[in-house]
Amino acid sequence: AQSVTQPDIHITVSEGASLELRCNYSYGATPYLFWYVQSPGQGLQLLLKYFSGDTLVQGIKGFEAEFKRSQSSFNLRKPSVHWSDAAEYFCISGYTDKLIFGTGTRLQVFP
Amino acid sequence: NAGVTQTPKFRILKIGQSMTLQCAQDMNHNYMYWYRQDPGMGLKLIYYSVGAGITDKGEVPNGYNVSRSTTEDFPLRLELAAPSQTSVYFCASSQGQAYAAFFGQGTRLTVV
Repeated sequence: AQSVTQPDIHITVSEGASLELRCNYSYGATPYLFWYVQSPGQGLQLLLKYFSGDTLVQGIKGFEAEFKRSQSSFNLRKPSVHWSDAAEYFCISGYTDKLIFGTGTRLQVFP
Repeated sequence: NAGVTQTPKFRILKIGQSMTLQCAQDMNHNYMYWYRQDPGMGLKLIYYSVGAGITDKGEVPNGYNVSRSTTEDFPLRLELAAPSQTSVYFCASSQGQAYAAFFGQGTRLTVV
């Protein structure tokens, strides 16, 4: 069955530090992959998506993600985190008409 | 620019009551989804639809029903509410599986 794993439940970084959020998907074929962010009291917003082609994908708010087929991973990165990036981040896999969420990673940013 | 609209935003139900969570989108999307979000569990897919008249079960369909009589609307029905259904429910729509999904603002449901 299709599944998405986000190994880190909670990550804390200092403002200005770099960030990497991990995501692994489990499926034979390459799924469609998305990263969404959920800020407190707000809805879910798309950061970026991968369908095919260039494995390094640029998104909004300075985020990028790299698809690595050999590792079944789609990790999200940001070179310098801002306090406003504190939120919950979800990796999502799309395959056979379904969108399956990972369990999420809560990001805390210290000044 | 309504996007995906969910009603109500909040609701308290007594055990055994029934209710319908409404979801409407004005983007002419074929795909629609219902999720529930519980702390530390991410969002779990309850039901989804790839077009009017077509629905299918997701990961956690028990205790819920859906219908899709029009492209715009995708209501979620709880027939006999149970405390385990206390959650935040999100509706989403998209043009297809290869496209980004748009989410509603959520419905916070408490069953007591």
